Amino acid sequence: QQQVKQSPQSLIVQKGGISIINCAYENTAFDYFPWYQQFPGKGPALLIAIRPDVSEKKEGRFTISFNKSAKQFSLHIMESQPGDSATYFCAASTLAGNQFYFGTGTSLTVIP
Amino acid sequence: DAGVTQSPTHLIKTRGQQVTLRCSPKSGHDTVSWYQQALGQGPQFIFQYYEEEERQRGNFPDRFSGHQFPNYSSELNVNALLLGDSALYLCASSPTSRVSGNTIYFGEGSWLTVV
Repeated sequence: QQQVKQSPQSLIVQKGGISIINCAYENTAFDYFPWYQQFPGKGPALLIAIRPDVSEKKEGRFTISFNKSAKQFSLHIMESQPGDSATYFCAASTLAGNQFYFGTGTSLTVIP
Repeated sequence: DAGVTQSPTHLIKTRGQQVTLRCSPKSGHDTVSWYQQALGQGPQFIFQYYEEEERQRGNFPDRFSGHQFPNYSSELNVNALLLGDSALYLCASSPTSRVSGNTIYFGEGSWLTVV
């Protein structure tokens, strides 16, 4: 059973456009939601994370929007750049938990 | 400040063989987790080590075992390799301090191919 469901599987965006990746979860015990960026042949790198006591967190061009009642969260990449082309994973965990549950990933391609 | 380091980066093994993968956590981190990432999939939790003990285990068979050493480094051992064990094996480390939350930081991974 997939604890975190991620969509879309792949995304193509023009340079300068907005990339939006969505995730949904069922376990209401989750209270920590990070996003990871992974380039081919590399390990995932933490991009940005949010806790459910806030509805939005912004770091540079990256924003997480969080909807606790809908049990959904999304990553917005503003002014997308070709260098943003990578696979993005959402994840969820409890603050005291030992296990992270990852989505299946979104392959983002930003066209120059 | 060195991040999470893993070795080897790539290796090829034959079905039935055994493999050992190694991980050194990020400086200041004492908790190590191992994840398996199959091609085109998200990482799947194998287990976590803290204070040299396995603290939690995911849905993986006993062929997968691990160890943590007093310096917090860790090994992942897989016995009786199957073709389906071919994957990227990721080590992640984290501090136990609740002040900094439970963010985990990944290494570059070890690519295992079973033939």
